[in-house]
Amino acid sequence: GAVVSQHPSWVICKSGTSVKIECRSLDFQATTMFWYRQFPKQSLMLMATSNEGSKATYEQGVEKDKFLINHASLTLSTLTVTSAHPEDSSFYICSAGGTGGIYGYTFGSGTRLTVV
Amino acid sequence: KQEVTQIPAALSVPEGENLVLNCSFTDSAIYNLQWFRQDPGKGLTSLLLIQSSQREQTSGRLNASLDKSSGRSTLYIAASQPGDSATYLCAVVSDDRGSTLGRLYFGRGTQLTVWP
Repeated sequence: GAVVSQHPSWVICKSGTSVKIECRSLDFQATTMFWYRQFPKQSLMLMATSNEGSKATYEQGVEKDKFLINHASLTLSTLTVTSAHPEDSSFYICSAGGTGGIYGYTFGSGTRLTVV
Repeated sequence: KQEVTQIPAALSVPEGENLVLNCSFTDSAIYNLQWFRQDPGKGLTSLLLIQSSQREQTSGRLNASLDKSSGRSTLYIAASQPGDSATYLCAVVSDDRGSTLGRLYFGRGTQLTVWP
């Protein structure tokens, strides 16, 4: 089945530094990738939608200058949290889908970001 | 805007029971519906995908039904086991982005505990 690889699985960084999270579709071409954020005991909150070769579409309230998304190829999307602060600590998950969503979405294993 | 509701929020049962998890959505114009499982600190694992033209899907001890007109889906788990303990999320795809992949709308999940 479709596999999405997300790295790193966890990261601890100092306040003010930037962190990059990678999301790769291993065995299919992901025209569209989605980035979510999840707070403890809550459901997923969509942050942005990235389409290969074009600018990401951010959800209302999500700072696009803080959460930089790049989708340079059909198999790789990256989320960079710039100038991270403790309030950015969260669980970040990517998902990918191809062929118009007929086969649903596959999710990465998530990245636990802790900013100290 | 699509809203997805899951009932109950939490469920604790002894091993061996048959379970029903409920999901409802406000806009019946969906592309498909997907049930996911999430273990603590992990990403999402797809369990079943039901296209809007389908009524149900089965995989092992899991059966999911879809009544698109009434905006409801149920996930039936037969002969529950302790290993089924996890959070179960329901998500629908609303094709609200034109020709690109539709976004997923998630419920808040049902936290299931199956005790031996």
